[in-house]
Amino acid sequence: DTGVSQDPRHKITKRGQNVTFRCDPISEHNRLYWYRQTLGQGPEFLTYFQNEAQLEKSRLLSDRFSAERPKGSFSTLEIQRTEQGDSAMYLCASSYQRGDTQYFGPGTRLTVL
Amino acid sequence: GQQLNQSPQSMFIQEGEDVSMNCTSSSIFNTWLWYKQDPGEGPVLLIALYKAGELTSNGRLTAQFGITRKDSFLNISASIPSDVGIYFCAGRDNDMRFGAGTRLTVKP
Repeated sequence: DTGVSQDPRHKITKRGQNVTFRCDPISEHNRLYWYRQTLGQGPEFLTYFQNEAQLEKSRLLSDRFSAERPKGSFSTLEIQRTEQGDSAMYLCASSYQRGDTQYFGPGTRLTVL
Repeated sequence: GQQLNQSPQSMFIQEGEDVSMNCTSSSIFNTWLWYKQDPGEGPVLLIALYKAGELTSNGRLTAQFGITRKDSFLNISASIPSDVGIYFCAGRDNDMRFGAGTRLTVKP
């Protein structure tokens, strides 16, 4: 399968714990995006990378969130000191370059108890 | 928050009926896209529109990029049960913004 993959698919954690998600984009894609989706809403942009450089962060991305793409391939999204309001689906997408169509992974569903 | 107004929020139709949904924005976009999302999965691209006025089909799906560049519609003809899901419009300039989705239910 050469699509975008995400791991884990589901994560249940207790409030205050740290969690980390991984995204593997389509191999030749330079751009990688993270979105958050809550129930009944469309995806909301969090941040994106051009290769290893993080070029934009939404104001939705609080200080507890950090994303990396160290070698310009896979990316990780870490949430520290999780809160119940962090419960959502976290989606990753990739595209070849700016303006190209974004292809989404299956998402990681986070539940914070 | 969402910058696109997508309607209707939900639709309940009989198998075989045609479906129409639309998306409007106060902003101009360079590209309009339509995605479908099944429960527990990520959105899957259905149709991408790149020029104002463009009308594009993908099987039973037809979408148009409005001439004002502030709206788009998606039509599904002769609906079938597997059309069930949530359909999202997305407008793109430098970033991509999504509508809140149209939840489609098809009764056999």
